[in-house]
Amino acid sequence: DSGVTQTPKHLITATGQRVTLRCSPRSGDLSVYWYQQSLDQGLQFLIQYYNGEERAKGNILERFSAQQFPDLHSELNLSSLELGDSALYFCASGGVGGDYGYTFGSGTRLTVV
Amino acid sequence: GESVGLHLPTLSVQEGDNSIINCAYSNSASDYFIWYKQESGKGPQFIIDIRSNMDKRQGQRVTVLLNKTVKHLSLQIAATQPGDSAVYFCAENRLSSNSGYALNFGKGTSLLVTP
Repeated sequence: DSGVTQTPKHLITATGQRVTLRCSPRSGDLSVYWYQQSLDQGLQFLIQYYNGEERAKGNILERFSAQQFPDLHSELNLSSLELGDSALYFCASGGVGGDYGYTFGSGTRLTVV
Repeated sequence: GESVGLHLPTLSVQEGDNSIINCAYSNSASDYFIWYKQESGKGPQFIIDIRSNMDKRQGQRVTVLLNKTVKHLSLQIAATQPGDSAVYFCAENRLSSNSGYALNFGKGTSLLVTP
């Protein structure tokens, strides 16, 4: 157990729908990072939150959004889902800027049908 | 654009041999690099890191080498074991598109350890 909790582990939904993925960071970590991993891509950085505020942004689609709550858990919202959004979505927690690395959760596997 | 890339998509080694996984990066401003291991069905797991002011760093059975001249990073695994079979990613810490730093990952090398 890495200490980073992601729910749900699996999610199957139809095109056009909206889903919310949840992440609880490791105790003491203020940063949450979201990554997308598809079959033909490596880990693509989506977005980072630090203590409730957006800190860094990667290749995140406009249909996707995230937030971090006062208790530091984070949610990634994916809307108007397309088949190509099927992927593993990982949350990681750590310090600011990646120093000392991140601790990853076990991911949410999203399947859009 | 600037990126982190891996030289080989797959690597097959015999149990007990040493493994070397390579990675090239193009951002000369990157100052921190990490190797991650990802087993099937799991999230990436931190293996070892290195800062740009170092050329070499050793862990337990693993060594990371950094050659800043040619922007090359390698992970050496000594006496490879079946449990080392996984996908290995190198990552660099770099500025993201709007501000702030985040880890940028390469596409990964699949290491297969055969008996």
